[in-house]
Amino acid sequence: AQKVTQAQTEISVVEKEDVTLDCVYETRDTTYYLFWYKQPPSGELVFLIRRNSFDEQNEISGRYSWNFQKSTSSFNFTITASQVVDSAVYFCALSEAQGGGADGLTFGKGTHLIIQP
Amino acid sequence: DGGITQSPKYLFRKEGQNVTLSCEQNLNHDAMYWYRQDPGQGLRLIYYSQIVNDFQKGDIAEGYSVSREKKESFPLTVTSAQKNPTAFYLCASSIWTGVINTGELFFGEGSRLTVL
Repeated sequence: AQKVTQAQTEISVVEKEDVTLDCVYETRDTTYYLFWYKQPPSGELVFLIRRNSFDEQNEISGRYSWNFQKSTSSFNFTITASQVVDSAVYFCALSEAQGGGADGLTFGKGTHLIIQP
Repeated sequence: DGGITQSPKYLFRKEGQNVTLSCEQNLNHDAMYWYRQDPGQGLRLIYYSQIVNDFQKGDIAEGYSVSREKKESFPLTVTSAQKNPTAFYLCASSIWTGVINTGELFFGEGSRLTVL
């Protein structure tokens, strides 16, 4: 069975600091997708990134970057020069190819990121 | 604009009452989902549906029921059998090809249910 672990329940940093959110996953499948979602105080989850298991290339989008390492089953998320607007709960999630992923995503418990001005 | 609409945003219920949460999408997605979110627990899957008139239980389906009579609509009923219904409920949808779900879920803004 698949599992996603986000060991950091809450992180607090001062604005402009860099911060990394950890995500470790477990799956028996060789084909899977990994995701990060952001949940601001409004409640709606916002999609940030999807990565498939065959693409280990790291990705950068503005101040956001993701480091995917199959060797350690990790998909970490880094925010560079953090801003107050980055304050939110961030979820890492996994979708397996087996069964077509029809039952949606398996989510981690989330990391509450607090950016202090 | 395309998206998912959940209503009501806040709902209060007395113990012993059933309550139905609405979820409507105009994204033309085949698959729809209901998740429950509790503090520190992440999101847990209640029910999901890949096509009209078909739905499957998720990890925590006890005390809940759903229907999928239309592609656009996937209402969730929280029954009196649900022992701890106070939570934040999120509806989502995704493209489903019948082969693999690439998994990008689009979420509504959620419904917060409080049992008094």
